[in-house]
Amino acid sequence: DGGITQSPKYLFRKEGQNVTLSCEQNLNHDAMYWYRQDPGQGLRLIYYSQIVNDFQKGDIAEGYSVSREKKESFPLTVTSAQKNPTAFYLCASSNSGGANVLTFGAGSRLTVL
Amino acid sequence: EDQVTQSPEALRLQEGESSSLNCSYTVSGLRGLFWYRQDPGKGPEFLFTLYSAGEEKEKERLKATLTKKESFLHITAPKPEDSATYLCAVKFGATNKLIFGTGTLLAVQP
Repeated sequence: DGGITQSPKYLFRKEGQNVTLSCEQNLNHDAMYWYRQDPGQGLRLIYYSQIVNDFQKGDIAEGYSVSREKKESFPLTVTSAQKNPTAFYLCASSNSGGANVLTFGAGSRLTVL
Repeated sequence: EDQVTQSPEALRLQEGESSSLNCSYTVSGLRGLFWYRQDPGKGPEFLFTLYSAGEEKEKERLKATLTKKESFLHITAPKPEDSATYLCAVKFGATNKLIFGTGTLLAVQP
């Protein structure tokens, strides 16, 4: 079945550590996105990529980094510079044209201890 | 300010009790309005896209409608399995920016 796989599902991190969240899709979508979801807030865009080897900052990119070396993969690194990293992280993908309906992964919950 | 507001924040219904969820928006140049369903601990799942005022889409017990200022998600005779958070998102402007609302948490009791 086509879809988006995020790993790990749960991740615990000590303050000062960088962590990388994995996102892989087999939908042959051109565009990929990372969102952050916090209680009482709408999904907020961290980074997005519309093509391999290119990506743009979203609304809350500070303290995060990404890469897009392959069409299928869009990993997100949460760096120690991110002041409040505890959140639910969602990866999504879409076709670059048309309605741009997002297909989401199951999410990764990061907790900073 | 570009904004998407969903109401109510939470809604509790008895099985079979129909109701509506609201998504109001203040943006320029609407390109599309999206409804998603999100179960606890999972990613959102796409339900509908609406593009212009007057448009309606249906899927099982759900019907989405759109005006120039808001969208409604009507739930007819809901069942417990309809319990979830329903998210609204609006795409607008020359850059196709997408803004999500905070969602409505729906609980349907048997």
